Amino acid sequence: DVKVTQSSRYLVKRTGEKVFLECVQDMDHENMFWYRQDPGLGLRLIYFSYDVKMKEKGDIPEGYSVSREKKERFSLILESASTNQTSMYLCASSLRQTNTEAFFGQGTRLTVV
Amino acid sequence: TQLLEQSPQFLSIQEGENLTVYCNSSSVFSSLQWYRQEPGEGPVLLVTVVTGGEVKKLKRLTFQFGDARKDSSLHITAAQPGDTGLYLCAGARAAGNKLTFGGGTRVLVKP
Repeated sequence: DVKVTQSSRYLVKRTGEKVFLECVQDMDHENMFWYRQDPGLGLRLIYFSYDVKMKEKGDIPEGYSVSREKKERFSLILESASTNQTSMYLCASSLRQTNTEAFFGQGTRLTVV
Repeated sequence: TQLLEQSPQFLSIQEGENLTVYCNSSSVFSSLQWYRQEPGEGPVLLVTVVTGGEVKKLKRLTFQFGDARKDSSLHITAAQPGDTGLYLCAGARAAGNKLTFGGGTRVLVKP
């Protein structure tokens, strides 16, 4: 059974804290993604990685960075959390081949106070 | 501005009624995917349409990809409460399978 696992379901952090969101997949997928989901806005791509140590900015990368040191793990970093980063964060993985399915984790609901 | 526009944003219907959700873009995609998301879970793939004009059926769900590969629709016949959820369309670019999502349509089917 394929799996994408996010380290936390719920997180509460203070403004200005450095926040790490971790994601692990067990399918040997080349691609990994970080999205944030807000009501009415769907999923917006933050960062995308198509290989170890490779990353590409998505549509809303400001205030975020990522790390992919191993193929199975993709981390999202909020360098200095702000209240407007309160959101649901979804990690996904897929094969690099076009038109293939993306598998999602269950999401991390982050609240910045 | 969303690259993929979904409409409507919200649909509330009675069990047994039909519904259609639209996904439109000014860009061409190599494929369109439809996902359904239930509360507390990540989205799960329903279908991928690849060829312009393609129609795919999944039980009571019918998916269509526009001839120009810029738009898609999802039609549900005789909706049931189990169809309740957030429906998301996603477009894939030709290189690397980078997915762009629409804003989603929240469907509520009342018994």
